[in-house]
Amino acid sequence: AQTVTQSQPEMSVQEAETVTLSCTYDTSESDYYLFWYKQPPSRQMILVIRQEAYKQQNATENRFSVNFQKAAKSFSLKISDSQLGDAAMYFCAYRVGRGGGSEKLVFGKGTKLTVNP
Amino acid sequence: NAGVTQTPKFQVLKTGQSMTLQCAQDMNHEYMSWYRQDPGMGLRLIHYSVGAGITDQGEVPNGYNVSRSTTEDFPLRLLSAAPSQTSVYFCASTTSRTGGPKPYYGYTFGSGTRLTVV
Repeated sequence: AQTVTQSQPEMSVQEAETVTLSCTYDTSESDYYLFWYKQPPSRQMILVIRQEAYKQQNATENRFSVNFQKAAKSFSLKISDSQLGDAAMYFCAYRVGRGGGSEKLVFGKGTKLTVNP
Repeated sequence: NAGVTQTPKFQVLKTGQSMTLQCAQDMNHEYMSWYRQDPGMGLRLIHYSVGAGITDQGEVPNGYNVSRSTTEDFPLRLLSAAPSQTSVYFCASTTSRTGGPKPYYGYTFGSGTRLTVV
């Protein structure tokens, strides 16, 4: 079974600085997707960024980027120029690309990010 | 607005009561799921459906029942509420169809239901 591990329960960063959140996963599949979701205090789950396993290029979305290391099964999220609005819980999640299991998301336990002014 | 609609947003139940959490999506997604979120546990899959008339159990199915009579709706039933079911519940949908906007490869979530069982 696939598992997702976020080893940092809490992180903090100064406003305008850069922070990296870690995520590792375990799978025997070759085709899958990885995601980072943000959950602010409103509790809405917001998709931040996604990565297709078959793509070697790391995904980027404005100030958010990932470091995807397929062989190491590592998927870290880098937030540049941190803003107060980035403060939230961040969840790493995995989904099988096709076939059995593709209807399921497996989540890590989350990292609470605090942004200090 | 397109998306996943969950009701109610908040609910307090007494132990032993039953209730149904409603979930509807208007994106014609074939997959729908229910997750519960507990502190320090992330989100865990309760039940899921791959299409109308087809449901299956996830990681934590005990005490919950689902059915899917239409593509749009996927209600979650608590048969006899227990304090251990106090949690935040999320409904979500997705598709395996290729192409389209980015959210099609991820799940679209409802706004959640905070349930307290006393």
